[in-house]
Amino acid sequence: TQLLEQSPQFLSIQEGENLTVYCNSSSVFSSLQWYRQEPGEGPVLLVTVVTGGEVKKLKRLTFQFGDARKDSSLHITAAQPGDTGLYLCAGGRRGGFKTIFGAGTRLFVKA
Amino acid sequence: NAGVTQTPKFRVLKTGQSMTLLCAQDMNHEYMYWYRQDPGMGLRLIHYSVGEGTTAKGEVPDGYNVSRLKKQNFLLGLESAAPSQTSVYFCASTESSYNEQFFGPGTRLTVL
Repeated sequence: TQLLEQSPQFLSIQEGENLTVYCNSSSVFSSLQWYRQEPGEGPVLLVTVVTGGEVKKLKRLTFQFGDARKDSSLHITAAQPGDTGLYLCAGGRRGGFKTIFGAGTRLFVKA
Repeated sequence: NAGVTQTPKFRVLKTGQSMTLLCAQDMNHEYMYWYRQDPGMGLRLIHYSVGEGTTAKGEVPDGYNVSRLKKQNFLLGLESAAPSQTSVYFCASTESSYNEQFFGPGTRLTVL
């Protein structure tokens, strides 16, 4: 069974602080996706990384795929209350039928 | 485009009752999925379909059945609801498991 473990499970920080969320697995994935989910809604894709060592930036969010394609991190600079939500990582394999989701990191940014 | 829609949005059932959740997508995606989301457990795959007329079991299929008679629709059925099936159910569709999944808004189900 492929598992994706996310840490921390919960994070509460002040506006303006920086944070990093981790997604780890013992298995190799062809792609790693990060989603954000707000209360009462379905997850929405933030980014997809496919190359080992790849770094992608989305405004204040920086995503990195590990060299061995087994782990990923999400770094948020100067967090804002609008960043509050559940962050999910998900791994996929080319030619596979299913995507494996982590349990998520629930982030709360206080104004 | 509406994307992925789910009906109903909320439902309360008594133990033993049956119901069907409907998912519809207008993106011509081949792959469709049903997940349940419970606190601290992320998204768990119930059943999925890789094309019209095909279905397959996911991680937690017991107590659920599905049908994909039309490419745009994926139905999730509960024949005899149990309190353990209280959850939020999400439908998703995608071009392939390698690509972005598009999620519906979810159905919050409570079984008393």
